[in-house]
Amino acid sequence: AQKVTQAQTEISVVEKEDVTLDCVYETRDTTYYLFWYKQPPSGELVFLIRRNSFDEQNEISGRYSWNFQKSTSSFNFTITASQVVDSAVYFCALSEAPIQGAQKLVFGQGTRLTINP
Amino acid sequence: EPEVTQTPSHQVTQMGQEVILRCVPISNHLYFYWYRQILGQKVEFLVSFYNNEISEKSEIFDDQFSVERPDGSNFTLKIRSTKLEDSAMYFCASSGRPGLNRYEQFFGPGTRLTVL
Repeated sequence: AQKVTQAQTEISVVEKEDVTLDCVYETRDTTYYLFWYKQPPSGELVFLIRRNSFDEQNEISGRYSWNFQKSTSSFNFTITASQVVDSAVYFCALSEAPIQGAQKLVFGQGTRLTINP
Repeated sequence: EPEVTQTPSHQVTQMGQEVILRCVPISNHLYFYWYRQILGQKVEFLVSFYNNEISEKSEIFDDQFSVERPDGSNFTLKIRSTKLEDSAMYFCASSGRPGLNRYEQFFGPGTRLTVL
C-alpha cells in the first residue's frame, strides 16, 4: 500500500532562514512518481514539482530545491532564504503506475510553514 | 495559462439533500479526478475518470457519489444524500496534456461544501 508521511506538522522560521520539509514514502512499486504541492491560505493547490522513481537527480528551481533519495525513501524540499510569501501548507504526494493513464495521488498530512518577518 | 475551474466556490446544503459540484477541466486533458479535503486534514483521492468511465475509486466513493462528463467539457460530482461528514473542500483536477508533463495534475480552486 502507498503511504506518505510528513512528520513535521508545523514549522515556523524567521524570514531569510533556510527551511527543509521532510517527506518519507512507502510503496511496493518500482515505478512511481513523487510530487510537492503548495496550498496557500487562499486554499488552492499549486503544483511545484514531479519526480519519477528513475530520476534521482536533485532539482533546483530558484530558491526551491528537492532532494530525492531512494535509499531512504525520502523526497525532501528545501526553501532557501525563505520569504513571507512562502507561508503555506506544503503537501508531498505519491502516485504509483497509472491505471489506464490515470494516476491517483496519495497525499501526506501536510506541513504548515509560517515565515515570520 | 489554461486552468481548471470549479463552481460554486461555496455550497451550503441541508443534510439529506443532493448536491452537484461542477468542474471544467483543461480543454485538451484526458484524465479527470475528484479529491476532498476535510478542514485541516490531508487531501484524499475520491475518483479518477477516463474515456467516459471510472478508472479507480477510493473506499470513500460509495454509492452516494457519482461522476459524470455530460457534455465533453464539464465534469461533475454528485452526492445523492449529503451527510454532515461530507462537509469538506472538494477539488477537481485534470491531467493528460500531451508532452513531457503528461501526468502533472492541475487542480481547480475547490468548492467548499458545508452540510448543515
